[in-house]
Amino acid sequence: GAVVSQHPSRVICKSGTSVKIECRSLDFQATTMFWYRQFPKQSLMLMATSNEGSKATYEQGVEKDKFLINHASLTLSTLTVTSAHPEDSSFYICSANRGLTNEKLFFGSGTQLSVL
Amino acid sequence: AQKITQTQPGMFVQEKEAVTLDCTYDTSDPSYGLFWYKQPSSGEMIFLIYQGSYDQQNATEGRYSLNFQKARKSANLVISASQLGDSAMYFCAMREGEGAQKLVFGQGTRLTINP
Repeated sequence: GAVVSQHPSRVICKSGTSVKIECRSLDFQATTMFWYRQFPKQSLMLMATSNEGSKATYEQGVEKDKFLINHASLTLSTLTVTSAHPEDSSFYICSANRGLTNEKLFFGSGTQLSVL
Repeated sequence: AQKITQTQPGMFVQEKEAVTLDCTYDTSDPSYGLFWYKQPSSGEMIFLIYQGSYDQQNATEGRYSLNFQKARKSANLVISASQLGDSAMYFCAMREGEGAQKLVFGQGTRLTINP
């Protein structure tokens, strides 16, 4: 089946630094990818929709300048957490599908970000 | 208002028993899709089962079945013959609108299977 690869799986960084997370669709082209955030013992909250070749669509309350999304190709979307703060520590997970109606989303394995 | 409601924060079930995880949803769109995902401690999201709003029959996938009560707006997941490996978080999710792709998730239910 379709596979979505996410890297890195875990990252620890200092406050003020930027962290880039990659999400790749390995055997299909994804015109749209999604970035979710999950706090411990909570649900997944959609942060933004990443559109290949155009600007991402952010959900209400998500800072565009804080969470930069780039979807430069049909198989790669990146999320950059800029000037990270401890409150940005969370589990970030991406997803994609092949654009077919009613098809399930394929999820990456997630990235655990810890900001010191 | 919550789009997806999972009222059971935690469930404890004896191995080999069947278990039902509750999910109710709220939408005014006639076209929608309902999903169940399993999230083990490793964090990955594993797709279990899908039900479309126009599907006439309840979806089934191996040991998983979806009890779709459209008038009640419920989409409960039934796991038959539970196994120790079924212990995980379970999320119900909904896609609204024809052609839509993004999902809204419920709060999740932590299922623990006891030996």
